Amino acid sequence: EDQVTQSPEALRLQEGESSSLNCSYTVSGLRGLFWYRQDPGKGPEFLFTLYSAGEEKEKERLKATLTKKESFLHITAPKPEDSATYLCACFTGTASKLTFGTGTRLQVTL
Amino acid sequence: DTEVTQTPKHLVMGMTNKKSLKCEQHMGHRAMYWYKQKAKKPPELMFVYSYEKLSINESVPSRFSPECPNSSLLNLHLHALQPEDSALYLCASSQEGQGDPDTQYFGPGTRLTVL
Repeated sequence: EDQVTQSPEALRLQEGESSSLNCSYTVSGLRGLFWYRQDPGKGPEFLFTLYSAGEEKEKERLKATLTKKESFLHITAPKPEDSATYLCACFTGTASKLTFGTGTRLQVTL
Repeated sequence: DTEVTQTPKHLVMGMTNKKSLKCEQHMGHRAMYWYKQKAKKPPELMFVYSYEKLSINESVPSRFSPECPNSSLLNLHLHALQPEDSALYLCASSQEGQGDPDTQYFGPGTRLTVL
């Protein structure tokens, strides 16, 4: 059975304090890994898609990387507006659907 | 434009009511999805329509009935729901092309409360 695990469950950072969120996966035939940001009570907002090990993508203060076992979402010099739940999801050939991790709740304080 | 719209934003209904959730996208996407999300949990897939045909049904109870009138619209008809069905219902769409899996874009959700 496909499994996606995110750590930590919750993370509290001070503004400017860089850190990384982890997404570990045990799936059959990974075809794509997706990162989303979700604010409370709202739908997930697409951030990145990664298709192969070694791939990296960047957007403002966020950078996503992918290896054969895990993905990292690096947050550089975060601001309070980066506070949200960050979800990763794997798309596999066998399931033909997204399998989501349980998310990391990020809080950035002044 | 990567916008998926959902109506209503909030819905309160009794267990004997019949209501419908609506979703619309104008990105030319050919796959549309319904997800259910409980508090502090990830989204759970309910239904997938690909080219207006139901292609995945994740064994959802029959009190939820999806409908895809055309490639831009997706409805979820609700009947005789239970309080445990209270959740955020999310619609998503994707290109459904060949090759690498396409990004799913989510709507803002409908917050459903069943009394």
